[in-house]
Amino acid sequence: ILNVEQSPQSLHVQEGDSTNFTCSFPSSNFYALHWYRWETAKSPEALFVMTLNGDEKKKGRISATLNTKEGYSYLYIKGSQPEDSATYLCAPYSGGGADGLTFGKGTHLIIQP
Amino acid sequence: NAGVTQTPKFQVLKTGQSMTLQCAQDMNHNSMYWYRQDPGMGLRLIYYSASEGTTDKGEVPNGYNVSRLNKREFSLRLESAAPSQTSVYFCASSEAANYEQYFGPGTRLTVT
Repeated sequence: ILNVEQSPQSLHVQEGDSTNFTCSFPSSNFYALHWYRWETAKSPEALFVMTLNGDEKKKGRISATLNTKEGYSYLYIKGSQPEDSATYLCAPYSGGGADGLTFGKGTHLIIQP
Repeated sequence: NAGVTQTPKFQVLKTGQSMTLQCAQDMNHNSMYWYRQDPGMGLRLIYYSASEGTTDKGEVPNGYNVSRLNKREFSLRLESAAPSQTSVYFCASSEAANYEQYFGPGTRLTVT
C-alpha cells in the first residue's frame, strides 16, 4: 500500500476557467500512474495510464504530466465545463501484481456556471 | 457490449446474514477486482484475481470470500454480515495488473 496524496481535496472553479491539481506518490518502485474520473452516481472511468518520466497525455481539454523522479503528476483541465464536475482519482502502480495499484482519495472538482 | 455488470444494485442485510455479490465482464479480461468505497477512505481493494483459477487478498479482505467461477465471473461473499461492511462495492476488470481498469456500476450494501 503506497502513500498517495492528492491536493486539493476539493476545488470550486468558474465555468470557462482552467484548473489543475496534483497527485504525489513515492518515486521508488514506480511502474505507472493511472488517472480516473468519477462522476457522482456513476463508476470510475479511466482517463490515462502513464509510465515514462516527462510523459504527457491529452484527451480533449484534459491533459496530464508525469514526473517519476520527484513522484508527482499534474492533471490539467482547460476551459472547464459543467460536465467536468467529478472526483478525479490518481493511482500509482508499484508492480508486484494486481494489488500494486493504490488509489488516492481524489480531488472533488465542482464547476460553477 | 455490457462491459462490467454487477448484481444486485442495492441490498439491505441484517447483522449475521449472508449474501453473494455477483460480477461479470464480457471483455475477455484476465484480471478482476473487488473494491469497497467508504466516505473519506477512497477505493480499497478487498480481493483480486489475476487470472482464472487464482485469487489473492487485497488491503481489506477480512469478512469476505471470493470465487473466480470462470474467466467472466468473480463473486464476493459475505458469510456473516456486520454493520462495518456497510459500503458501496465495485467490481472491476482489466487485461492485466497495470492496464486501465473498467468498473461496474456498484452495489450499495447496508447492514443493520
